[in-house]
Amino acid sequence: KNEVEQSPQNLTAQEGEFITINCSYSVGISALHWLQQHPGGGIVSLFMLSSGKKKHGRLIATINIQEKHSSLHITASHPRDSAVYICAVRGSSGGSNYKLTFGKGTLLTVNP
Amino acid sequence: GAGVSQSPRYKVAKRGQDVALRCDPISGHVSLFWYQQALGQGPEFLTYFQNEAQLDKSGLPSDRFFAERPEGSVSTLKIQRTQQEDSAVYLCASSRQGNEQFFGPGTRLTVL
Repeated sequence: KNEVEQSPQNLTAQEGEFITINCSYSVGISALHWLQQHPGGGIVSLFMLSSGKKKHGRLIATINIQEKHSSLHITASHPRDSAVYICAVRGSSGGSNYKLTFGKGTLLTVNP
Repeated sequence: GAGVSQSPRYKVAKRGQDVALRCDPISGHVSLFWYQQALGQGPEFLTYFQNEAQLDKSGLPSDRFFAERPEGSVSTLKIQRTQQEDSAVYLCASSRQGNEQFFGPGTRLTVL
């Protein structure tokens, strides 16, 4: 079992829909990252969370440390949101608190 | 306002060839990471530098992989005697002190 599990693997939505991508992890963490990767492009960091909730524009990220679960929400989705969204966790122990462990990513396609 | 840059962006190698992949981190970033991303997968950790010191190389898949950062800035990932299973996108990321990581565009390596 992977340390970081994302769901769904693939998601297709119509423009304007509310999107939720989920991430569950099985290890202790010091932070959780949500990242965006466009085809052929590099990775852009969207959020870094250690507790609670963060909002940036139409993107909202939440984390529940007790349940080891995080969600990424996109409100009023747009075709330009189409990308792979990746959840990554940073270890909590002193020897690994720099290392990111990644989920496999969720491929989001938003149709006009 | 340069971000992390990587070169080449694409590399095609014949099996058995040696390759060298370059990463230019953001100026002043102490930490530098290399990741390998196979098709359809999330990135996987390869190695970590703090300045010129390679503090963790536990993710390097074999002794054919070697990374260096001799002056604490530019880093090179070298793969000797490339194999088909080495085909992947190699991502470099840098950060100030292991917090938010900034990713480069990646080098797509194809071994024929």
